[in-house]
Amino acid sequence: DQQVKQNSPSLSVQEGRISILNCDYTNSMFDYFLWYKKYPAEGPTFLISISSIKDKNEDGRFTVFLNKSAKHLSLHIVPSQPGDSAVYFCAASPQTGANNLFFGTGTRLTVIP
Amino acid sequence: DAGVTQSPTHLIKTRGQQVTLRCSPKSGHDTVSWYQQALGQGPQFIFQYYEEEERQRGNFPDRFSGHQFPNYSSELNVNALLLGDSALYLCASSPPRRASGYTFGSGTRLTVV
Repeated sequence: DQQVKQNSPSLSVQEGRISILNCDYTNSMFDYFLWYKKYPAEGPTFLISISSIKDKNEDGRFTVFLNKSAKHLSLHIVPSQPGDSAVYFCAASPQTGANNLFFGTGTRLTVIP
Repeated sequence: DAGVTQSPTHLIKTRGQQVTLRCSPKSGHDTVSWYQQALGQGPQFIFQYYEEEERQRGNFPDRFSGHQFPNYSSELNVNALLLGDSALYLCASSPPRRASGYTFGSGTRLTVV
């Protein structure tokens, strides 16, 4: 049972425009959410996170929005750059104090120059 | 500052064999987690080691076992390999409390033939 879902396997965006990646979750026990970026032949790299007590977190060109009632989060990248082309994974962590992550299946972002 | 290092990078094994994968955590991290990433999927949590003990385990059979050494490095062992065990195996180290501290290695690509 996939508790974290990324329903768009791929997304193409023109350089300079906004990229919006979406993620849905089903487990209401999740209280911490993260986005990871992954290049081929490399491990996932932490990008940005958000706690369930917030609805927005911003870091430079990256902003994550959390809608707890809809169990939905999104990652906005503005402006998109060709170097942003990668697979993006959404992940969630439960409230139990343990810190294992539940990952989505990823969205491949291609930024077209 | 060395990050998480994993060895070997690639491995080919025959069905029924046993395999051992190794991980050295990032300096200052004492918790090691292992994830399996099948093709086209997100990483799935196998187990986590802290203070040389398995602290938490995901939904993986007993064929998957691990160990953590006093220097915090870790091994993942898989017995009686199946074709379905072919995947990228990722090691992540972290401080003991929150998932935001995860640092992933580049992984070991295991192919079972």
